[in-house]
Amino acid sequence: GENVEQHPSTLSVQEGDSAVIKCTYSDSASNYFPWYKQELGKRPQLIIDIRSNVGEKKDQRIAVTLNKTAKHFSLHITETQPEDSAVYFCAASIENTGNQFYFGTGTSLTVIP
Amino acid sequence: GAVVSQHPSRVICKSGTSVKIECRSLDFQATTMFWYRQFPKKSLMLMATSNEGSKATYEQGVEKDKFLINHASLTLSTLTVTSAHPEDSSFYICSASGRDEQFFGPGTRLTVL
Repeated sequence: GENVEQHPSTLSVQEGDSAVIKCTYSDSASNYFPWYKQELGKRPQLIIDIRSNVGEKKDQRIAVTLNKTAKHFSLHITETQPEDSAVYFCAASIENTGNQFYFGTGTSLTVIP
Repeated sequence: GAVVSQHPSRVICKSGTSVKIECRSLDFQATTMFWYRQFPKKSLMLMATSNEGSKATYEQGVEKDKFLINHASLTLSTLTVTSAHPEDSSFYICSASGRDEQFFGPGTRLTVL
């Protein structure tokens, strides 16, 4: 089965700096890679996703890159703000197969004002 | 995005009792729902995949007789923790599968005394 690894497990950055979280996956059949943000005690919320037919996607301060050959994808947050502090999870799945997601272990991001 | 509700949000029970958690997709029909367990500051651990009208598929290491899952309709799946023990205390989250995104419920905090 799919195995998703995520690094780092914790990350602290100064407000305004960039944050990068990296994930690797093992199953070359995976073709959908969402990123979720989870605040303490709340549900995970989708913040951005990417499919295997593109290499990069951007939405305002958030971007995701995908390297299919190396089987890794990364989340980039620029101009970080305190409200970006949360736990971020990457996931990998194969579309149209019941959408089972394999989650990474999570990154706890702290943005220091 | 779609709305998924969970009930109850918090439950405290005595050891040996059973607890039922409901997961509802409020504005779309979900043929597949997922049940996750999350420990503090840890990732989402998939417990089982629930398909409407059929038996749930459990992940390795998850006792199907301990965690009973019923998906009787396209909008409702239930997880029953039978004969709960303190080690079952956790945050349980369901999700409903859309076209390619998973929509998460708000979670249920279970505390077994």
